[in-house]
Amino acid sequence: ELKVEQNPLFLSMQEGKNYTIYCNYSTTSDRLYWYRQDPGKSLESLFVLLSNGAVKQEGRLMASLDTKARLSTLHITAAVHDLSATYFCAVDGLGYGGSQGNLIFGKGTKLSVKP
Amino acid sequence: GAVVSQHPSRVICKSGTSVKIECRSLDFQATTMFWYRQFPKKSLMLMATSNEGSKATYEQGVEKDKFLINHASLTLSTLTVTSAHPEDSSFYICSATLLGADRLTQYFGPGTRLTVL
Repeated sequence: ELKVEQNPLFLSMQEGKNYTIYCNYSTTSDRLYWYRQDPGKSLESLFVLLSNGAVKQEGRLMASLDTKARLSTLHITAAVHDLSATYFCAVDGLGYGGSQGNLIFGKGTKLSVKP
Repeated sequence: GAVVSQHPSRVICKSGTSVKIECRSLDFQATTMFWYRQFPKKSLMLMATSNEGSKATYEQGVEKDKFLINHASLTLSTLTVTSAHPEDSSFYICSATLLGADRLTQYFGPGTRLTVL
């Protein structure tokens, strides 16, 4: 069974601080996704990581993927209040009885950035 | 970018009634659409995979007779919650896959919040 675990599940941080969200998955996968969800809203795609060592950055967010360690990180630099949201990582379930695009989600990390 | 719409965005119904939710890919053809549900403060759980012109594939524990899925065209999939009960109240999100040149991209709809009284 493919499992995706995120930690922490809740994160309260001050503006200007740095922090990292971790996403571990239990078996091999060739794609890892990061999404943002605001309260009452659907998912916004942040990053798609396709290979070992992939690193992508957008503004204050940077995501990386280590397929050997089965670990992805989402690093937040100099957090601002607008980054407050829930962040999900997801892994493609292809090969585990699912169709291509069948995503297995982590539980999400609720980030709260305070002044 | 590719857009996926859902209708309605919010629905309140009485227990025992059926509710239909539409998921449309607005500017691309999607051979595969996925239906997820999300309980408050929880993650997304895949309910079923919907392929155009064929029967949907349901995840373990999802009742196919209760959650009817129809994927009649390459741009439209519908989810019907039959004989809805309060425990079916949830946020339902669809997604559609777009095959790119070198990767698979999945686009999510805005979600439908179902409240069953």
